[in-house]
Amino acid sequence: DAEITQSPRHKITETGRQVTLACHQTWNHNNMFWYRQDLGHGLRLIHYSYGVQDTNKGEVSDGYSVSRSNTEDLPLTLESAASSQTSVYFCASSDGGTGANVLTFGAGSRLTVL
Amino acid sequence: GNSVTQMEGPVTLSEEAFLTINCTYTATGYPSLFWYVQYPGEGLQLLLKATKADDKGSNKGFEATYRKETTSFHLEKGSVQVSDSAVYFCARTHAGGTSYGKLTFGQGTILTVHP
Repeated sequence: DAEITQSPRHKITETGRQVTLACHQTWNHNNMFWYRQDLGHGLRLIHYSYGVQDTNKGEVSDGYSVSRSNTEDLPLTLESAASSQTSVYFCASSDGGTGANVLTFGAGSRLTVL
Repeated sequence: GNSVTQMEGPVTLSEEAFLTINCTYTATGYPSLFWYVQYPGEGLQLLLKATKADDKGSNKGFEATYRKETTSFHLEKGSVQVSDSAVYFCARTHAGGTSYGKLTFGQGTILTVHP
């Protein structure tokens, strides 16, 4: 079965360290997204990609970067982790056409920055 | 703007009770509207959707009708079960341009159903 997997599921790091969260999907979806989930804010879009070599900033992109070298993967990098980036991070993907807005989510990565 | 406002929770109900979770959205453009559900320890999954005014989305006994005149998309279920305990998110697409998959989510409503 196709799936979208995130790793690690839990990570604790220190302020200033670089952190990379992995996202791998086997749906063969062109569209991939990173959201963060915080209490009282719902989910907010960090970065997104509509295909290989395409990346775009979302509404809360400061301090984050992504790269898209193949269809399956969209790793999220925190260049210098800050306590404000403590959150649960969700990767999602979607197909093209009429299915583009139907997101399939991973199980999430909980990041704690001390 | 692209905001979505959900009723504040948490919501606690007894099994077989009627459920309503209110959701309103800003009237920018012609958005598609969604309800996503998040069960404990899992990612979000699509519950239902509606793409134009007066459409009714339905799934697993849940329903929501796209009301353009009141900019609302309230979620309802006639008889909830313990297994419906989860966090429910209302969402809309961004207005205009290439907005594929760029959703604006409400803050989420925690639902707990007791036996």
